[in-house]
Amino acid sequence: EAGVVQSPRYKIIEKKQPVAFWCNPISGHNTLYWYRQNLGQGPELLIRYENEEAVDDSQLPKDRFSAERLKGVDSTLKIQPAELGDSAVYLCASSFTQGGSYEQYFGPGTRLTVT
Amino acid sequence: KQEVTQIPAALSVPEGENLVLNCSFTDSAIYNLQWFRQDPGKGLTSLLLIQSSQREQTSGRLNASLDKSSGRSTLYIAASQPGDSATYLCAVKGTYKYIFGTGTRLKVLA
Repeated sequence: EAGVVQSPRYKIIEKKQPVAFWCNPISGHNTLYWYRQNLGQGPELLIRYENEEAVDDSQLPKDRFSAERLKGVDSTLKIQPAELGDSAVYLCASSFTQGGSYEQYFGPGTRLTVT
Repeated sequence: KQEVTQIPAALSVPEGENLVLNCSFTDSAIYNLQWFRQDPGKGLTSLLLIQSSQREQTSGRLNASLDKSSGRSTLYIAASQPGDSATYLCAVKGTYKYIFGTGTRLKVLA
């Protein structure tokens, strides 16, 4: 069974440029999470989807970040324009949350460097 | 607001030692607790998930315990190996989302 797939793995951009990250969750997983992880820190939730509905986006900086999960499967996270402080690893995770497990499975992440 | 703390931040042990990693949380109203391992430059790998109604979970050389009343979980690693070297993170799930600790960076010396 394929795990959570993310692309690209690495991205280097100049500040003020746009950037997009893509995630394909494990097949059948209805819940998808986007996290940001700064160096030496644990992941922090940006947005959580239940199927195609964003049910928790309280930590998403909405002035520059946007996300979508069309058809309740894969998802895209966009930053426009990027700032120096956005340099981090962006992690996608998925889980099957019917039946009460909620066990999360993570992708390899996208390491973003903003110069 | 839930806060999750992991102590120590870093740990070095000789190969073969048994060791305990600690995770504490401030709000005992949790749904579950999950332990992860993260290798440098990689994503997180799930190790064990403990539901709030459970006291412990075991997988191979790993044993995780949960004491909700005291706000603590421990991850016990038996007979440590150099391949166990990684950062170990715990994450606590409240009503809607997981809150992560900052991790313990483990190095097992050959």
